Parts: sequence; C-alpha cells; structure tokens
Amino acid sequence: GDSVTQMEGPVTLSEEAFLTINCTYTATGYPSLFWYVQYPGEGLQLLLKATKADDKGSNKGFEATYRKETTSFHLEKGSVQVSDSAVYFCALTGANNLFFGTGTRLTVIP
Amino acid sequence: ETGVTQTPRHLVMGMTNKKSLKCEQHLGHNAMYWYKQSAKKPLELMFVYNFKEQTENNSVPSRFSPECPNSSHLFLHLHTLQPEDSALYLCASSQDLIRERAPYEQYFGPGTRLTVT
Repeated sequence: GDSVTQMEGPVTLSEEAFLTINCTYTATGYPSLFWYVQYPGEGLQLLLKATKADDKGSNKGFEATYRKETTSFHLEKGSVQVSDSAVYFCALTGANNLFFGTGTRLTVIP
Repeated sequence: ETGVTQTPRHLVMGMTNKKSLKCEQHLGHNAMYWYKQSAKKPLELMFVYNFKEQTENNSVPSRFSPECPNSSHLFLHLHTLQPEDSALYLCASSQDLIRERAPYEQYFGPGTRLTVT
C-alpha cells in the first residue's frame, strides 16, 4: 500500500546550519506530496506541497522537489533559525486522505 | 489561528469513564477527520466524514464513537478506554475529500491530549 518513510530524528542543528530531512514514498498511482510542520502545542500546518513530478514546493525558505525517479521528496533549508524548531511530517495523497510519516523533530540551538 | 478549534485541550479519564472530544471548524469545509498521534508512530487516521456522512472507519475499536451533526462540528465519544489509548487526538478539515487528484490542504486543530489512567 501507499506509505511514507522519513528519516528518524531527532535532528539538532546550530542556527544558520543547512537542513535536510529525507523522505521517500511508496505509491501505486500519482500522488501529491506534502510537508507539514507541527510547532509545540499546536496542530499540524501545511509547509509546502508539490503535485507532480519535478515540481518544487517552497515556503519560508524551505524547499522540496518531487523526484519520481528516486521516489523522494527531501526537505531542505539553507539556513535554519531557532524558530524553525518543530516536528516535520512528510505526507502523500491516498484514496481519500493523506498518509503521514512518523515525523522528524528538529531542534535549532542558538 | 487555523480556524479549527478543539476542546478540551487536556483530558484525564479513568478506564470506566465516558467523555467526549469536540471539534469545530470555521472554514466552511465539507470534510472532517479524526487522527490519533502517538509518539514515534505515523499519524493514524481514525474517521473521515464528508458532508456529515462517514466515509471511512479505519478499523477503530468500538470504544471510540464519532458523531458529525453538521459539516462544522465533529465529536469523538469515548468509553471504557485502555491506557494504550493515551495520545494526542487531532481533528482536521479540508475543503472536500482529499484524493490523489484533489490535493486539498488539511487544516488541523491543536489537539486534545488524552491520558487514560
């Protein structure tokens, strides 16, 4: 069945470091791919999405490219800030819902 | 402000209690969802409603009983829960049902942190 695998955390980085969080997927069709972010004490919120192969989603300095050949949608940011500390979830569209990964906790230290 | 509210934010209940979780969305969406979030596990979809009709029940035990009186409100009734049911319960909504060719954004509430003692 459809599923998402993302790198296990936690990830701890210094401010201004480069961030990569890996996400790979398994799907039988042509899903759309998402990154959601969950800040402490809050629900998930959409960070970015890509709806077809080679699309690049971007928001708030984060980027991810839909790579069909490697079934991947890795999240990147060139220079993280303390305010980026959160849990990041990769997700893909299924029949009538999203399939989410386990989440990767990012902590950015000053 | 996400437009989706959940009450209560925290709930402690014994295994013999009956309680209800409430979710309300102010976005005019047609689809609503209940998820269970446990540590180190993917979000588990529990129930999906579209235009007040249940479209999915992901093999959820009968001790969880959903109710959707209208497109804006969603309840999760709880009775005789087990300690392993302790988790964060998230409600979400989307404009319409998410499908492969209809990648609507889901809007989440802040969740109810449930502890079963």
